Amino acid sequence: GAVVSQHPSRVICKSGTSVKIECRSLDFQATTMFWYRQFPKQSLMLMATSNEGSKATYEQGVEKDKFLINHASLTLSTLTVTSAHPEDSSFYICSATIPGNTIYFGEGSWLTVV
Amino acid sequence: EDQVTQSPEALRLQEGESSSLNCSYTVSGLRGLFWYRQDPGKGPEFLFTLYSAGEEKEKERLKATLTKKESFLHITAPKPEDSATYLCAVQGRGSTLGRLYFGRGTQLTVWP
Repeated sequence: GAVVSQHPSRVICKSGTSVKIECRSLDFQATTMFWYRQFPKQSLMLMATSNEGSKATYEQGVEKDKFLINHASLTLSTLTVTSAHPEDSSFYICSATIPGNTIYFGEGSWLTVV
Repeated sequence: EDQVTQSPEALRLQEGESSSLNCSYTVSGLRGLFWYRQDPGKGPEFLFTLYSAGEEKEKERLKATLTKKESFLHITAPKPEDSATYLCAVQGRGSTLGRLYFGRGTQLTVWP
């Protein structure tokens, strides 16, 4: 069964609104989670590292004010896309590491901004 | 900077026709090399982690091997259900634990 769960799997929002995506680790605690973005037929690009209890670390070129990350508990990280625009439409995926260094990914969340 | 290059970009095989996918990497101290399978519209599915040169792991028709510069994913007698994109990623010792650098993937199509 899944060890990392994302919700929602698909979301459509209007341009200018905000949308939140949740990433949960199931049956284990994850002090660090990672958020990736994937465009069609491209590989995964790391956006940010989500740290429980502290600020997220963003990759170069990723707008921290647009992509808000909150890691309020050891099993939940959230990504909020603020003031979304059509160019933010993409596939967003989170990951977490379980003890033993196996890295699992969530099912992914499709965001469409209309 | 850690880098991963996968080849070929796309591979078409007839059912039963064995082949290999390549992953070349550059990393300052390898902590782990990961293989994932990704189906369209889904998140990556974990296959293997390799840690040191000479290591091999197998799962059904898949076998992953590792050298100091590259990894191979061997597919023996593939079936149509093996069709997917296969992603290779590395984790360096200088990176945050859990952070991966991905290649662009190999899109595998197996036809009956």
